[in-house]
Amino acid sequence: KAGVTQTPRYLIKTRGQQVTLSCSPISGHRSVSWYQQTPGQGLQFLFEYFSETQRNKGNFPGRFSGRQFSNSRSEMNVSTLELGDSALYLCASSLVRGTGPPLAGAFFGQGTRLTVV
Amino acid sequence: TQLLEQSPQFLSIQEGENLTVYCNSSSVFSSLQWYRQEPGEGPVLLVTVVTGGEVKKLKRLTFQFGDARKDSSLHITAAQPGDTGLYLCAGGGRGTGNQFYFGTGTSLTVIP
Repeated sequence: KAGVTQTPRYLIKTRGQQVTLSCSPISGHRSVSWYQQTPGQGLQFLFEYFSETQRNKGNFPGRFSGRQFSNSRSEMNVSTLELGDSALYLCASSLVRGTGPPLAGAFFGQGTRLTVV
Repeated sequence: TQLLEQSPQFLSIQEGENLTVYCNSSSVFSSLQWYRQEPGEGPVLLVTVVTGGEVKKLKRLTFQFGDARKDSSLHITAAQPGDTGLYLCAGGGRGTGNQFYFGTGTSLTVIP
């Protein structure tokens, strides 16, 4: 079974630009979450999508947005990039039955390393 | 504010030694996971525990979930250089949705 795939792996953008990151979850996983990882803050939750609906959102500004498609693939977008947005962006998929709380862990992709200059 | 605090933050030990990493919270979780992450890669799921007091063993790794489901520990026996990495605990099931709250992380280095 193929794992979680994130593209691209590395990205360099200029301050003020926007960026779109892509995530393909494990087949059959309908829940996709996005996290930002930085040395100072660790892993911070951005948002979670389930069946094309955003269920949870972390404490990030509106410049961070996402969406999920009918095949469970997800994209996240960051507009008006700032230097502080430089981070490893991780996508995770989970097998969630119905809308109950997760009892299994999340499976992560390799991440997209975003550098804003 | 981190819901889950891990200790120690850094650990450097000799090959063959034993070690324990702690993950503590004041919140109750439906499940708790442990991950290991290597530089430049995503975290890899090691184990999920869901029952208070539960103990799971994975070769030389022993995971325990606290009775009150607020804390957990990871014990490694006879550490090997291949165990080197960042160990993360994560709690799930607090509220709705599939959001995981990650701990502050423990960076482990095993010296040959």
